[in-house]
Amino acid sequence: RKEVEQDPGPFNVPEGATVAFNCTYSNSASQSFFWYRQDCRKEPKLLMSVYSSGNEDGRFTAQLNRASQYISLLIRDSKLSDSATYLCVVRSSGSARQLTFGSGTQLTVLP
Amino acid sequence: DVKVTQSSRYLVKRTGEKVFLECVQDMDHENMFWYRQDPGLGLRLIYFSYDVKMKEKGDIPEGYSVSREKKERFSLILESASTNQTSMYLCASSWRGSINEQFFGPGTRLTVL
Repeated sequence: RKEVEQDPGPFNVPEGATVAFNCTYSNSASQSFFWYRQDCRKEPKLLMSVYSSGNEDGRFTAQLNRASQYISLLIRDSKLSDSATYLCVVRSSGSARQLTFGSGTQLTVLP
Repeated sequence: DVKVTQSSRYLVKRTGEKVFLECVQDMDHENMFWYRQDPGLGLRLIYFSYDVKMKEKGDIPEGYSVSREKKERFSLILESASTNQTSMYLCASSWRGSINEQFFGPGTRLTVL
């Protein structure tokens, strides 16, 4: 079983739609959680960290459910520029420097 | 702005060749990483380094080695390239105190024929 699992998609949504991605992780000792964004043929970049109480950054909301070991990302009022692959990323307690990346969920926002 | 650069965007090599991939960062980061990214498998860590001349194996170190002689530079070496090493290679760096955000280079698409 993969340590971090995501639905690969693709998710094709119209502009203005709300879309949600989920991610599950297998290591209950995982301590830190993030969403990275990767545009086509570009490098990954940090989108946001995920905090236990949930957090919001503009149109983006991240949630963490430790009991069920899943993380979610909600995008409201989708823009064409949101089209990208979203990577779920986890850091486990036994590894101070290592991040484990999910294989990504592809989003295309259609005009 | 943090900048991580990689020596080549595209590289084509033959089976058995020795391949060097270079990565340079300009933000005085202590930590540096090499990943490969393959469809459906995501990013997988090959090696990382937390200081000059220090290195640790990641999840898939077989067939690779690394060198960190200077703080800003981290090299990935394929001693004898094989076709299953055809992949996108991404270098990343981060501050020692910031184990969270890693800054990535643009990647090197390596094809081994």
